[in-house]
Amino acid sequence: SQQGEEDPQALSIQEGENATMNCSYKTSINNLQWYRQNSGRGLVHLILIRSNEREKHSGRLRVTLDTSKKSSSLLITASRAADTASYFCATDKGAAGNKLTFGGGTRVLVKP
Amino acid sequence: DAMVIQNPRYQVTQFGKPVTLSCSQTLNHNVMYWYQQKSSQAPKLLFHYYDKDFNNEADTPDNFQSRRPNTSFCFLDIRSPGLGDAAMYLCATSSGIQETQYFGPGTRLLVL
Repeated sequence: SQQGEEDPQALSIQEGENATMNCSYKTSINNLQWYRQNSGRGLVHLILIRSNEREKHSGRLRVTLDTSKKSSSLLITASRAADTASYFCATDKGAAGNKLTFGGGTRVLVKP
Repeated sequence: DAMVIQNPRYQVTQFGKPVTLSCSQTLNHNVMYWYQQKSSQAPKLLFHYYDKDFNNEADTPDNFQSRRPNTSFCFLDIRSPGLGDAAMYLCATSSGIQETQYFGPGTRLLVL
């Protein structure tokens, strides 16, 4: 199975609500990254959180990392229709030189 | 603006007819990646270049080849496309293996 796996696979919310998605991984990591992909487009980097960090913010996004549980969460506050997209976490495997592996993604639909 | 450019955005080819997808970057990044992404799935890494060093993924079919003639350009060659190769092909760059990746808009390949 994949290094990073997102949960839930799909999420439907109303505009203005918060959206939370989780990523679990198996091996130790150096950093974990979250990306967004709008339908039919490339991925856009959102946040990188390093293994010695516990929380990072960027605008309406909040990412947490719990290395003891090997999990991360992405929270989107006050969601907008434009947040409709797939969200992927990507992890390395800790050793220098290991490339990123993407999880299966969470498809978020924000209804106006 | 610095960016990752992929051409063409859409490519139609015939079964067995060789096709080349191109990627260029103005970020001067050391690493360039090629991913294959099928509908509702995670991007799957095919290979990457660190400078001129080519790194193939173990499960990438021999049908897929790549060239990087200089820092700015990288090509994906599919020697004999099959119906199963229809997918979105994403190019990405990064300054280092575990660093943030910057994606192009992708090339959607259709095999007839």
